[in-house]
Amino acid sequence: GAGVSQTPSNKVTEKGKYVELRCDPISGHTALYWYRQSLGQGPEFLIYFQGTGAADDSGLPNDRFFAVRPEGSVSTLKIQRTERGDSAVYLCASSLASTGELFFGEGSRLTVL
Amino acid sequence: KNQVEQSPQSLIILEGKNCTLQCNYTVSPFSNLRWYKQDTGRGPVSLTIMTFSENTKSNGRYTATLDADTKQSSLHITASQLSDSASYICVVSSGGYNKLIFGAGTRLAVHP
Repeated sequence: GAGVSQTPSNKVTEKGKYVELRCDPISGHTALYWYRQSLGQGPEFLIYFQGTGAADDSGLPNDRFFAVRPEGSVSTLKIQRTERGDSAVYLCASSLASTGELFFGEGSRLTVL
Repeated sequence: KNQVEQSPQSLIILEGKNCTLQCNYTVSPFSNLRWYKQDTGRGPVSLTIMTFSENTKSNGRYTATLDADTKQSSLHITASQLSDSASYICVVSSGGYNKLIFGAGTRLAVHP
């Protein structure tokens, strides 16, 4: 596709459930980022992939959060035992190089009841 | 602590008027500073990117300035249009890759 694609666009789940959020970056972009945006706030960095490996996962809030990018393209953010505080918009972005212009997807809005 | 602070938090202007949004940062090391526009329910879209040596950059009706000595930036919007209604986010890149530190944004509403 022409842009960064994220699915689902909206996800409502119950506390304690497992959730997967998918990101399909722009074709050829080696760098991929996940950010989390709470209402009225700017996005916060979660994790950065260069190729298949997580080059920096220092923003993941705890061990309930995990992300993979097995083939260096599509990435999945996985959240175990969801909590109400996990409710936010999860943004994915990609860039051609590690310092190149960042292109964001439209986000996945997660609501934990 | 690396921080990016923006003011005002929100702003209402009439169509056709100009406005200026402010950004102060305490980020080290500094790589570049960006302004993004984020429409409601959408992802941020880049407006400008400035490195340490650049002190002004324009993109149509948007002009960004950077004072690296005082660690301040501004975004000036000229002849505002209704479609300018959005959040404008100041973002500083620290380090060798896109580890971006976002401000909370200024929510701009342009009224007819």
